[in-house]
Formats: sequence, structure tokens, C-alpha cells
Amino acid sequence: GESVGLHLPTLSVQEGDNSIINCAYSNSASDYFIWYKQESGKGPQFIIDIRSNMDKRQGQRVTVLLNKTVKHLSLQIAATQPGDSAVYFCAENTGGTSYGKLTFGQGTILTVHP
Amino acid sequence: DAGVTQSPTHLIKTRGQHVTLRCSPISGHKSVSWYQQVLGQGPQFIFQYYEKEERGRGNFPDRFSARQFPNYSSELNVNALLLGDSALYLCASSLEGQGVGYTFGSGTRLTVV
Repeated sequence: GESVGLHLPTLSVQEGDNSIINCAYSNSASDYFIWYKQESGKGPQFIIDIRSNMDKRQGQRVTVLLNKTVKHLSLQIAATQPGDSAVYFCAENTGGTSYGKLTFGQGTILTVHP
Repeated sequence: DAGVTQSPTHLIKTRGQHVTLRCSPISGHKSVSWYQQVLGQGPQFIFQYYEKEERGRGNFPDRFSARQFPNYSSELNVNALLLGDSALYLCASSLEGQGVGYTFGSGTRLTVV
């Protein structure tokens, strides 16, 4: 019910630590995955993406790992900063080749303490 | 460059009323998608339009409808509003219709009282 949706997983870290946010996805046929960051009052902001033919992709301070065997995604943020505090969502493209439909995970609240 | 713009930013409506939300995609983007985000949850897919045609529809009642105009802007319409329609409505645009390269707007916060 609605009360379950309000209890998002939370991760609290100190500034400078590395953060790891995990996500389980639902569709083994999904071929494209994205991590988004959402700050209060704003829309989701693209962080990094990965296609299903890859296991790992690196960006600036971020790395996404994909484990298709167990349908698991993770986002690693290096040297976490207070500005990284936000809700993080993973999303998978479940529309196949016909159209774009993103199915979002529950989200994780990341809090970075100075 | 302007990103995805949505209007209005906030809206309060009464149960049973009708609402129209508007979205202007990034210049050159031909696909617009609409998502509903209830407080504390991830966004849920409502519609995708590409080249003015509906490409996909999520699990939403017929009270929800949308269209895309020749300039690729889009409107989302919701009839007979319910309290449960209170949410942040997000628009996302992309160059093509395959679900990659989405850019989201900041959304319209709809409150139904």
C-alpha cells in the first residue's frame, strides 16, 4: 500500500566516503538501464546508463555495475560530496524495441554528512 | 539551451474537475513521454508519443489522455479528477522513441482536494 512506498531505503555516509546504491530489476529482457538522481522539487537527472551487453561502465566519480544473472544493478559514487545528497532511482527500459518505457525502482535516499 | 519545460509548476484542483498539463521538449526532440510520481515512489509510465503518434500506454484509466502537436509539444489531460491523482507529473523528451537519452522536466505538482 501507500505506506510501503513512503519507506524508501536510506544510505547515510560521511563526506569523502564511497557510496554504493543497489537495485534489483524485474525484466530479464530489459536491454538498457539508467541511474537517475532526483533532488527535492526537481525532475530526475540522468547520471549514467548501461546496455545489457556490458557489465560495467564508468563516468566521472560514478560506476554502474550490471549483473544479469541475478538481475542486479549497482551505482558506486566515489568521494561522495554533500551535493550528492538526493534520491537515487534505477530504471530499466521495458518497452523493448517498440517504444521507450522506463520502469523505475523504488529509490534510495542518500544523505551525505559533512 | 532550454531543457524540457512544463507548465504550470503547481496546480490545485477539486475532485471531479479536469486538468491539462503542458510540456515543451528540448529543441529537436521528437518523442515526449509522461510519468506520474506519487510521493515516496518512483515515476510510473503513462504515455509515450513519437512523431505525434501514441507509441505506448501504461496502466492508467481512460480518464488520462494525451496528444502531441506538430511542433512536438504535448498535453496531458486528466478528466474526473480523484484525490489519488495528486502527484508530480513529469514529462521527458528524447530524440528518438526507443527509451534512451531521456531528459526530464521539473514536473507539475498537481494537488486534488
